[in-house]
Amino acid sequence: EVQVVDSGGGLVQPGGSLRLSCAASGFTFSNTWMSWVRQAPGKGLEWVANIKPDGSEKYYVDSVKGRFTISRDNAKSSLYLQMNSLRAEDTAVYYCARGGGVFAKWGQGTLVAVSS
Amino acid sequence: DIQMTQSPSSLSASVGDRVIITCRASQSIGTYLNWYQQKSRKAPELLIYGASNLQSGVPSSFSGSGSGTDFTFTISSLQPEDFATYYCQQNYSIPRTFGQGTKVEIK
Repeated sequence: EVQVVDSGGGLVQPGGSLRLSCAASGFTFSNTWMSWVRQAPGKGLEWVANIKPDGSEKYYVDSVKGRFTISRDNAKSSLYLQMNSLRAEDTAVYYCARGGGVFAKWGQGTLVAVSS
Repeated sequence: DIQMTQSPSSLSASVGDRVIITCRASQSIGTYLNWYQQKSRKAPELLIYGASNLQSGVPSSFSGSGSGTDFTFTISSLQPEDFATYYCQQNYSIPRTFGQGTKVEIK
């Protein structure tokens, strides 16, 4: 069974940092593009970033460029999102998703709250 | 960036009704268009990819059509479990973008 499990969310102060993790199983992770998608409270979905299977290409939405870094460890079938210089507008549920453009499987989401 | 516009933003319908949601892209995206269902407080689920391809395990009551800039998502006979928010999303270019969502509520 294909599974992706997000973790690492929490409450952080503006300007702070947080690292999200995603554990994948049930598919060949090392051959699969992966993405992060977020959803602010009561709002719609926003794609954040994606990464090529070998990690050689990474793409970001403009609002997080220079602050967020997507990475992966294929040996551990894990995806990460390092979030620095966090802002109030980054408050959202963050979802790990299988795929770089078609998001075939989503994690359960992890809540990131940025507040003083 | 490609803007995705869904209509309506919300609708009320009864069990058994036919429901149609439209999605318009700000530029041509071929058939690089996907549809997702999100139930309250749950992760989204992929229903349709490539504009008209049904994801494995998804009921055939769901269908999609269109190409270029105009797309349609149809539920042929609304079931109680179909009350949810539906999103279109383009994967033609980066950044990937979603429509604002269509909330389907019970009439």
